[in-house]
Amino acid sequence: EVQLVESGGGLVQPGGSLRLSCAASGFTFSKYAMTWVRQAPGKGLEWVSSISAIGTITDYADSVKGRFTISRGNSKNMLYLQMSSLRAEDTAVYYCAKDLGEGRYWGQGTLVTVSS
Amino acid sequence: QSALTQPASVSGSPGQSITISCTGTSSDIGSYNLVSWYLQHPGKAPKLLIYEGSKRPSGVSNRFSGSKSDNTASLTISGLQAEDEADYYCCSYAGSTWVFGGGTKLTVL
Repeated sequence: EVQLVESGGGLVQPGGSLRLSCAASGFTFSKYAMTWVRQAPGKGLEWVSSISAIGTITDYADSVKGRFTISRGNSKNMLYLQMSSLRAEDTAVYYCAKDLGEGRYWGQGTLVTVSS
Repeated sequence: QSALTQPASVSGSPGQSITISCTGTSSDIGSYNLVSWYLQHPGKAPKLLIYEGSKRPSGVSNRFSGSKSDNTASLTISGLQAEDEADYYCCSYAGSTWVFGGGTKLTVL
């Protein structure tokens, strides 16, 4: 059974940093691209970043480019999102998703709140 | 990276059919057959209904169907049921990036 479990969310001050993690199991992690999607309170889904199966290709939404870094540890079946220079508008539930082209598997999300 | 355009809300009575549109551009929906549709209940993760435009994953009711024409994708729900009341999102590949629609709230009257 495919499982994706996010962690690392919490309350952080504007300008601060946070690293999110996504633990994957139930599939061959190193064969699939992975994605982070976020959802601000009461708002819609927003694609944040994707990384290729072996981690050589990364892409970012304009809203986070230069502030967020996606990475993965295929030996540990882990996906990461390093977030820095956080802003109030980054407040959201962050989901990790396997292979957004098929899009069947998502985690339950982790809440990031940016506030002083 | 502009969001795809969906109606903010649609409604229908039990047993009826409704269609939700998702309009993009020639850079996303018009160029790739990688449109997916999700259902989301409050406080829950999105659930995949349709992928690659019209494919239904196992376990999803055949009351849900997807199609695409030019730069617009559509989700049709037939035989509306009370449990279909939720938010619906479309998503398209846009060549190294992905873009979601703003979401449509479906109300079952």
